[in-house]
Amino acid sequence: GAVVSQHPSWVICKSGTSVKIECRSLDFQATTMFWYRQFPKQSLMLMATSNEGSKATYEQGVEKDKFLINHASLTLSTLTVTSAHPEDSSFYICSATLTSTKNIQYFGAGTRLSVL
Amino acid sequence: RKEVEQDPGPFNVPEGATVAFNCTYSNSASQSFFWYRQDCRKEPKLLMSVYSSGNEDGRFTAQLNRASQYISLLIRDSKLSDSATYLCVVNMRGDSSYKLIFGSGTRLLVRP
Repeated sequence: GAVVSQHPSWVICKSGTSVKIECRSLDFQATTMFWYRQFPKQSLMLMATSNEGSKATYEQGVEKDKFLINHASLTLSTLTVTSAHPEDSSFYICSATLTSTKNIQYFGAGTRLSVL
Repeated sequence: RKEVEQDPGPFNVPEGATVAFNCTYSNSASQSFFWYRQDCRKEPKLLMSVYSSGNEDGRFTAQLNRASQYISLLIRDSKLSDSATYLCVVNMRGDSSYKLIFGSGTRLLVRP
């Protein structure tokens, strides 16, 4: 149980385009989902916390207008990287928590974004 | 100062060796602690939670010292498949939810 699906797994796009990444909890309802970014040889950095039906809470230094997060249902959150630039190339990972075990996060397989 | 600090390694050990990783965290309000494992270009996967009393899962033993804000992971009888990056992770209360703070990871290479 507690499977999180993330799509796409890899995307290549041109500079200036927008890219949407989906994160789905397949067999549970996730009231909270998290979005992380990981640059090569660095740790995962939390970008934002997303609660179903409310605005996401962004970490300091993360531009909310550039990284749009929508969490419209208990099983789906999306991250849209708007007007992507090469410096946005990174590994983006989502996670979700069960209501009953808030300390445990279940991770999606990640999306590797390459902006040309 | 980073909130969670780890020795980046790499630790290069032969099969069968015992290896220990250390981690320190800066926020005394941290509530729970974990070790995750991350393979190259993959998502992190939970290895084990860490409790003050110390806990063991097969070849893996984790220890927490709240007074020193120090966490450790011991791997006995290393296998080739243990090669990965080990992430020390701390869970703390954020503005709207609990959030995980990841260390930068310690890389382990187990050689034949």
